[in-house]
Amino acid sequence: EADIYQTPRYLVIGTGKKITLECSQTMGHDKMYWYQQDPGMELHLIHYSYGVNSTEKGDLSSESTVSRIRTEHFPLTLESARPSHTSQYLCASSETAILGTDTQYFGPGTRLTVL
Amino acid sequence: GNSVTQMEGPVTLSEEAFLTINCTYTATGYPSLFWYVQYPGEGLQLLLKATKADDKGSNKGFEATYRKETTSFHLEKGSVQVSDSAVYFCALIPGFQKLVFGTGTRLLVSP
Repeated sequence: EADIYQTPRYLVIGTGKKITLECSQTMGHDKMYWYQQDPGMELHLIHYSYGVNSTEKGDLSSESTVSRIRTEHFPLTLESARPSHTSQYLCASSETAILGTDTQYFGPGTRLTVL
Repeated sequence: GNSVTQMEGPVTLSEEAFLTINCTYTATGYPSLFWYVQYPGEGLQLLLKATKADDKGSNKGFEATYRKETTSFHLEKGSVQVSDSAVYFCALIPGFQKLVFGTGTRLLVSP
């Protein structure tokens, strides 16, 4: 079982609020990721990090920001939430593998609803 | 480019039926292949993986074989249970690139 945690599991907030979704892992993995999952189930990579002080934008443009100050922690922040941000957010981590074929492990997800 | 194609769902089966969910891929180099499962309201769990051609991944009665000649990684289970109802994602990772997911296949098992 992977030790990766996300809080909160569910969040309902009003438009314009600032929120931070927490993600932490205890496996010492160097890489971490944030995915957004739409109602049609498709997964979109929105941010990733290859180590401390490294962050990159993913394939899907997102108004969120991330930081990686500690290896185990990779929070995602929305400065001003909007209804279009309503989605399931999944955090994952992996350890760099030989030949670069890492196995990603996922947290339980945060379901965000913006009213 | 790299891509994964999964059969569209939902797949509806009765308990104890045989399950196959098709997955084919296009990739550069020698990717690793994965099946993830997502139960309702949960995140993704790694179900099984295979790292090279002809490898068979297996877990919880599910199996998939990495077939390089047909670029396939079909998921099978001999006898499904109601508790197997979930969404199944096929995925691949080419070396030193990002994980690529299929669109997911929903499985519904009735008693």
